[in-house]
Amino acid sequence: GENVEQHPSTLSVQEGDSAVIKCTYSDSASNYFPWYKQELGKRPQLIIDIRSNVGEKKDQRIAVTLNKTAKHFSLHITETQPEDSAVYFCAASKVWGGSNYKLTFGKGTLLTVNP
Amino acid sequence: GEEVAQTPKHLVRGEGQKAKLYCAPIKGHSYVFWYQQVLKNEFKFLISFQNENVFDETGMPKERFSAKCLPNSPCSLEIQATKLEDSAVYFCASSQLLLRDKSNQPQHFGDGTRLSIL
Repeated sequence: GENVEQHPSTLSVQEGDSAVIKCTYSDSASNYFPWYKQELGKRPQLIIDIRSNVGEKKDQRIAVTLNKTAKHFSLHITETQPEDSAVYFCAASKVWGGSNYKLTFGKGTLLTVNP
Repeated sequence: GEEVAQTPKHLVRGEGQKAKLYCAPIKGHSYVFWYQQVLKNEFKFLISFQNENVFDETGMPKERFSAKCLPNSPCSLEIQATKLEDSAVYFCASSQLLLRDKSNQPQHFGDGTRLSIL
């Protein structure tokens, strides 16, 4: 089955700095890679996703890059703000049997943005 | 509705008792997924449905866990004879049918049910 590794497990940055979180996956059939932000006690919220036919996607201060050959993808947050502090999860999925397949999650990165 | 609705928010059961959790997917979504998030934040997939049909149940501990999605009713996840290790937050997520190009659709999560087994 799919295995997703996520690094680092914790990341502390100063407000205004950039943050980068990296993930690798094992299943070459995976073709959908979402990123979720989860604040303490809250639901995971989708912040950005990328499909395997695209190498990079950007939404304001957030960007995701994908290297299919190396099987890794990364989340980049620029100009970090204290409200970006949360646990971030990467995930991988594919289409299987003609349907949406389950998400396999990384173990999460606790991002702390210090004012 | 526009959000995945999960009830109850918090459920407390004594070890050995039954627990039943509910999930109403976003209106128009065809897929429902259940995930278990344990204390170390790790997500474990349990089961998925396409409408009323079980699509993938490879994550379900079959001896005690069961789930259903019936027409015109919230989906449910039931745990018989609960154990201390079942304590976790159970998330439900839903998504639409595949896009026309057969690529994945995003999964949207509910607020979860925190199950505490005493």
